[in-house]
Amino acid sequence: NAGVMQNPRHLVRRRGQEARLRCSPMKGHSHVYWYRQLPEEGLKFMVYLQKENIIDESGMPKERFSAEFPKEGPSILRIQQVVRGDSAAYFCASSPFKTGGTKDTQYFGPGTRLTVL
Amino acid sequence: QKEVEQNSGPLSVPEGAIASLNCTYSDRGSQSFFWYRQYSGKSPELIMSIYSNGDKEDGRFTAQLNKASQYVSLLIRDSQPSDSATYLCAVPTSGTYKYIFGTGTRLKVLA
Repeated sequence: NAGVMQNPRHLVRRRGQEARLRCSPMKGHSHVYWYRQLPEEGLKFMVYLQKENIIDESGMPKERFSAEFPKEGPSILRIQQVVRGDSAAYFCASSPFKTGGTKDTQYFGPGTRLTVL
Repeated sequence: QKEVEQNSGPLSVPEGAIASLNCTYSDRGSQSFFWYRQYSGKSPELIMSIYSNGDKEDGRFTAQLNKASQYVSLLIRDSQPSDSATYLCAVPTSGTYKYIFGTGTRLKVLA
C-alpha cells in the first residue's frame, strides 16, 4: 500500500518565483488536507479539498496561495511570487472520511520543504 | 479561537522510565483525539487515537482522555532512546474539517 506521496521533497525558489507542490493521497482516500509548519512551530491547517472541490480554505493566505484537486491527478498547492516568509515545510494529509466524524484519521505525506532565497 | 495546548518541553526521562505527555483543548464539542510522533525533519506519524473517556492501550503506549476536564494524555512505558521525538496532540474542531495541532512536546530519552 503506497502512502501519501508528495513531490518534490525539497524545493528552492528565489523571491518572486512560483512554487508548485504536489500531493497524491493514499489509494481510496478522497479527502486531502494541506498544512504548513514553520521552523520551530506547530502544524497549521491551510485548506481541505475533495475531488474538484475546495471545502475549506480558511487557513490559507488570501493572496498568492491557491489549491486544487482535479478529477485526475494530484492535488496541487500553488504559491505565486514567493517571499522569504513562505519558507516552511508543507505537509499534505489524506483521509477516507471527512474530518469531524469519529474514527477518522489523517495520514501524512513526507512533506515538501520549501526554501525561498 | 479553538486551541490545543502542550508543554513544549524538552521532557527528559531516563531509558526504561515512563514518559507522560499532556494536552488540553478548548473545544468542548471535540469528539476525537490523536497523538502523532514527529522526528526532526520528518512528517507526523500517527501513534494513537482515542474517542471515549478512559484509557486506551497499544503496546507501550497508553492514551488517556477526560472530556470533562478537556484533557488528553499519552503515556510511554519503558521509554527507549528511539522514542526521542516531538509528540503532537491533534484535535479536530467540532463542526469543521480542521485538525488543530498543539505545538508539540519534545521528548528526550536518555540512555
